[in-house]
Amino acid sequence: NAGVTQTPEFQVLKTGQSMTLQCAQDMNHEYMSWYRQDPGMGLRLIHYSVGAGITDQGEVPNGYNVSRSTTEDFPLRLLSAAPSQTSVYFCASSYGTGWTDTQYFGPGTRLTVL
Amino acid sequence: SQKIEQNSEALNIQEGKTATLTCNYTNYSPAYLQWYRQDPGRGPVFLLLIRENEKEKRKERLKVTFDTTLKQSLFHITASQPADSATYLCAPGGNDMRFGAGTRLTVKP
Repeated sequence: NAGVTQTPEFQVLKTGQSMTLQCAQDMNHEYMSWYRQDPGMGLRLIHYSVGAGITDQGEVPNGYNVSRSTTEDFPLRLLSAAPSQTSVYFCASSYGTGWTDTQYFGPGTRLTVL
Repeated sequence: SQKIEQNSEALNIQEGKTATLTCNYTNYSPAYLQWYRQDPGRGPVFLLLIRENEKEKRKERLKVTFDTTLKQSLFHITASQPADSATYLCAPGGNDMRFGAGTRLTVKP
């Protein structure tokens, strides 16, 4: 099993550009989530999904969109990138909900917005 | 608002000693609490989960306590090794998932 994979590993955007961060898992997990990690602030939940076709907002959803058309994939879209979105983004999946079950994290995408 | 505090940003100890990391939370009552390890440039890796009705949980050299009255969890690594050097994150979870900022542990030989 590859576990949780994320692409790209690094990305530089200009303010106003859009892009999609990809996340896929091959463990047949229903629960998937996106976090951003900033220095001194820990991981903050952006969006999560409890199954295909179901998504919900986390703590910091503004500026991000998600969709979940399959169990395996959970892409994160930045519609109009801003410098405040410079961060490291992690995708995670778990069999049960994130707070009741082991979460498996991907390697992260390091995003810089100029 | 909900707040999670991990005792210190960095902790340095000597090899063989016990490392104790603290996680305090306020303004909510999580039913679960998880601890993760994160190495530089990598994603977090799950270590332990403890439920509100469990006072203590152990896994090899790791021990976690969960005091819902004090709103605190302690994470212990006994007989620490340089390979234990990493950042440790606590994540008290109720109906959502929140993480502390982490404590960076350095174990010196």
